[in-house]
Amino acid sequence: KQEVTQIPAALSVPEGENLVLNCSFTDSAIYNLQWFRQDPGKGLTSLLLIQSSQREQTSGRLNASLDKSSGRSTLYIAASQPGDSATYLCAVRGRANGYKLSFGAGTTVTVRA
Amino acid sequence: DADVTQTPRNRITKTGKRIMLECSQTKGHDRMYWYRQDPGLGLRLIYYSFDVKDINKGEISDGYSVSRQAQAKFSLSLESAIPNQTALYFCATSPTGFGYGYTFGSGTRLTVV
Repeated sequence: KQEVTQIPAALSVPEGENLVLNCSFTDSAIYNLQWFRQDPGKGLTSLLLIQSSQREQTSGRLNASLDKSSGRSTLYIAASQPGDSATYLCAVRGRANGYKLSFGAGTTVTVRA
Repeated sequence: DADVTQTPRNRITKTGKRIMLECSQTKGHDRMYWYRQDPGLGLRLIYYSFDVKDINKGEISDGYSVSRQAQAKFSLSLESAIPNQTALYFCATSPTGFGYGYTFGSGTRLTVV
């Protein structure tokens, strides 16, 4: 069974600082990894999807890297803004979980103005 | 209109009552999923369906049942609700194939009293 861990569980930074969010997974036989954003009590918004053959994916201020062999992904958010405050979830799709998404518990980010 | 629509958005029900959560999608995806989210536990898969005639149990299916009425509709039922089923419930869809990401609905907040 795939286990997905996100550390830290919570993070507070001043506005303008770069954010680094970590995700680790136990089985490297994955198809892809997806990063989501969730605002309190709301649904999940997909941020980036990285295929297993890719090393990184970028969208605006967001950059996600993937090191499949070590079971790690990192989401970088440049020049953070108060509007980036949310919970960020990492989810992995692979053979160990029957090709369905397995989620980490998330990292809750607060960006202080 | 949202690609994946869940109804109701919020529901309070009493212990022992039967309740149905509904999901409809306009993405044209074959695969649909039901997840529940509890604080600190991430999202856990309840049931999933790869097409209208294919329904499978997820990690935590006890106490739940589903119906795939059409390609675009997937309902989750709690036959006899209990307080520990209080959670945020999400419906998601994905295309056939493993290289694609998931699209989530906005969620249903269910409280069982």
